[in-house]
Amino acid sequence: DVKVTQSSRYLVKRTGEKVFLECVQDMDHENMFWYRQDPGLGLRLIYFSYDVKMKEKGDIPEGYSVSREKKERFSLILESASTNQTSMYLCASRSDRVEQYFGPGTRLTVT
Amino acid sequence: KQEVTQIPAALSVPEGENLVLNCSFTDSAIYNLQWFRQDPGKGLTSLLLIQSSQREQTSGRLNASLDKSSGRSTLYIAASQPGDSATYLCAVMGTGNMLTFGGGTRLMVKP
Repeated sequence: DVKVTQSSRYLVKRTGEKVFLECVQDMDHENMFWYRQDPGLGLRLIYFSYDVKMKEKGDIPEGYSVSREKKERFSLILESASTNQTSMYLCASRSDRVEQYFGPGTRLTVT
Repeated sequence: KQEVTQIPAALSVPEGENLVLNCSFTDSAIYNLQWFRQDPGKGLTSLLLIQSSQREQTSGRLNASLDKSSGRSTLYIAASQPGDSATYLCAVMGTGNMLTFGGGTRLMVKP
């Protein structure tokens, strides 16, 4: 079974804190993705990576950065968390043009 | 730009009914279409993937069809059960090698 895991299911952080969300996949997928999901706005792509040390901006990259030092791990970084970054964060992975798999999600609350 | 629409946004049916969820997309130049299920507060679970050369895929009580020329896909659920209650999302992969998601259909199956 393909497995995508995320470091936390729930996270509460304070405004201004630096936040790390980690994602690990065990299927040797080249492509990894970070989305956020908000009621009424659906899934929005933040960043993606198609190879180690490669990254591309998605639709809403502002306020976020990413790191991919190893093929199986893709980290999302909130440099200075703000309340408007309270959201559900979803990581996903896949090989090219085939089935995409998602992690369980991290519910982040910024107070 | 690809747009994916799912109608209806919400659906409530009695247990045992057969039902159809609809997905439409504006650009027929797609590689594949994927159906997902999402339970409240959880990640997305892949249900079915249809490649652009295929007309349908089946998994258990689920059957997904694809009509690329008309920009439509349907997810047929046979003999619905309360455990089928969830949000169902479709996503298409276009020439940019990225998934574009619909807004989802929230399904409730009443006992």
